Order: sequence, then structure tokens, then C-alpha cells
Amino acid sequence: EFVLTQSPVTLSLSPGERATLSCRASQTVSINYIAWYQHKPGQAPRLLIYGATFRATGIPDRFSGSGSGTDFTLTISRLEPEDFAVYYCQQYGTSPMYTFGRGTKLEIK
Amino acid sequence: QVQLQESGPGLVKPSQTLSLTCTVSGGSISSGNYYWSWVRQPAGKEMEWIGRMYSTGSTNYNPSLKSRVTISVGTSKNQFSLKLSSVTAADTAVYYCARVSCTAGSCRVFDIWGQGTMVTVSS
Repeated sequence: EFVLTQSPVTLSLSPGERATLSCRASQTVSINYIAWYQHKPGQAPRLLIYGATFRATGIPDRFSGSGSGTDFTLTISRLEPEDFAVYYCQQYGTSPMYTFGRGTKLEIK
Repeated sequence: QVQLQESGPGLVKPSQTLSLTCTVSGGSISSGNYYWSWVRQPAGKEMEWIGRMYSTGSTNYNPSLKSRVTISVGTSKNQFSLKLSSVTAADTAVYYCARVSCTAGSCRVFDIWGQGTMVTVSS
């Protein structure tokens, strides 16, 4: 069974700080098949990053993705108040199959 | 821009069929290069992909749900629907519809989502 493990579960930071979110896969993943989403309560999830490193349309450049193999990272360089939300990583498998991590909650310290 | 909105009963009895509709505005499910998908999230758990549908009617389902799921074009051409049969309390979740974007024949990411609708399975 393919699993994505996100850490930390909760991250408490202040506006202006740098956030680093981790997503670890149970098996090697092609970088083309990793995405990140932002989700705020009561809103539709929002695609941030696809192909591990590419920002989706309209996403500010303070969001960046990196990684390869089994370890992937979402970095927010300087947190803005609107960035506090839950972040999910997602992997595409060719069956087809889509798998999500449990999320990291980014909260205001 | 394209927007998605889920609708349907918020309460379903055990053993019955859960039925939801996703209405697509600002675009068409007949557009090429997209699949139309359902994803759910039980409270405190990770999101689970349910299945996807192409405009031709071709479908793919999560193997864990395949025996109980049907995704199809809705009564309106800009709607698609989800039916999940023989539901139990384990099917209680927020259900999202989402568009899957395809690039070079690979359909990897959900680029547009609905806000989600809560469905509770209880007698």
C-alpha cells in the first residue's frame, strides 16, 4: 500500500517566518507526480504546486516545492496572514490512483 | 472561470445509496484534457480518491470502492454525479468534486475543487 506521510502534523509560526513542510512517500515517486494543495475551512482546496516544483497559475512566488525520490518539501519563504491553513501533498499513480497525505496544519503562533 | 459546486442529501440511511451531483459553471465537462472526479475526507482522516470520469463516459475507480461506486454524466450536460451504494457509517465524510487536469496524456492533479458537502450516514 502506497502511503504519504506528512510532518509535522501541526506547525506553529508567526507571519514573516519561513515554513518548511515535509511529505515522505513509502515508495519512490516520480517528481512529475507530486502536488501540494492549500485548504482553508469552508473553502475549496487550492492547487499550489504540481510536478513537485511548478507553481500553479496565480500562486505567489513565496511558495516553492522541492524534493525527489521519497522526500518532498513545500516551503513558504515569508508567511503572510492568509497562508495559515492545512496543506496536503498528493501523489498520482498510474493505475490510475491518487493518494493524499493527512496534511500539515499551519497555525499562527 | 470554472467553478464546481456539490449538491445532494446531507443524511443517508445505512444500506441505502448516497447520491451527489456536481454542477460545473464557467466551463463544460465536454472540454477535452480533463477528467471529472470525486474525493472524500472522513473527519480526522486523509482524503480518499473515489473515482473519475472523462467526457466520453469512460471511468476509473478506486479499487477499494469500485464495487459500490458509479460516476456518470448528470441530468444536465454540465453536471456529473456520484452514486455510492450500500453505505455504512464509514462512508460519513465531506465529499468533494474536482477537475483533474491532463498534460501530455497524464492526468495527475486536481486543479479545481468544489467547496465540499458533508454527508452523514445514520439511521
